Amino acid sequence: GESVGLHLPTLSVQEGDNSIINCAYSNSASDYFIWYKQESGKGPQFIIDIRSNMDKRQGQRVTVLLNKTVKHLSLQIAATQPGDSAVYFCAENRGPAASYDKVIFGPGTSLSVIP
Amino acid sequence: DAMVIQNPRYQVTQFGKPVTLSCSQTLNHNVMYWYQQKSSQAPKLLFHYYDKDFNNEADTPDNFQSRRPNTSFCFLDIRSPGLGDAAMYLCATSVGQGDTEAFFGQGTRLTVV
Repeated sequence: GESVGLHLPTLSVQEGDNSIINCAYSNSASDYFIWYKQESGKGPQFIIDIRSNMDKRQGQRVTVLLNKTVKHLSLQIAATQPGDSAVYFCAENRGPAASYDKVIFGPGTSLSVIP
Repeated sequence: DAMVIQNPRYQVTQFGKPVTLSCSQTLNHNVMYWYQQKSSQAPKLLFHYYDKDFNNEADTPDNFQSRRPNTSFCFLDIRSPGLGDAAMYLCATSVGQGDTEAFFGQGTRLTVV
């Protein structure tokens, strides 16, 4: 079935290093992708998004890359800090229409930053 | 300036006793979602409203129902909670244009005893 999934369930990085979190998706019709950060006991928090007509988008310390050919996106976090420790989810919105406008999550990656 | 508000944050209910979780929004968004999230898992979409149109996910059990009396409020009703329904329930909203993010509340942690 259609799904959004992740390659790595856990990731440990040294403080100050860069982190890369990967995500694969199967629905070629998806046209909008979002990365969320979720800290323990809280709701998911928006980090960055990218539309399907883009290959790359940068924010503050974060970059999202989209490869539509292989249906893959990644989240890069520069100079990872202890406050970045959380679970990261990629998600997709499958397009405007009453039944399609919904945000579907991938399985998540737990990022642990080692001081 | 909370935008998506869920009440209560923690809810304890008895096995088989109906329970209702509440969500309100100040964003005036068209779409409201309910997700179930179990430990170490991704949020799983149960259903969503696009304005007044209700969209149920195919694998959402009949035990879960929802109401949206107006733009600002949405409720999740669990008719007969089982032990397997213990989870974090997340409410979210989005504008409804297909290229916008969902804004999440802090969730309600449901315990079934």
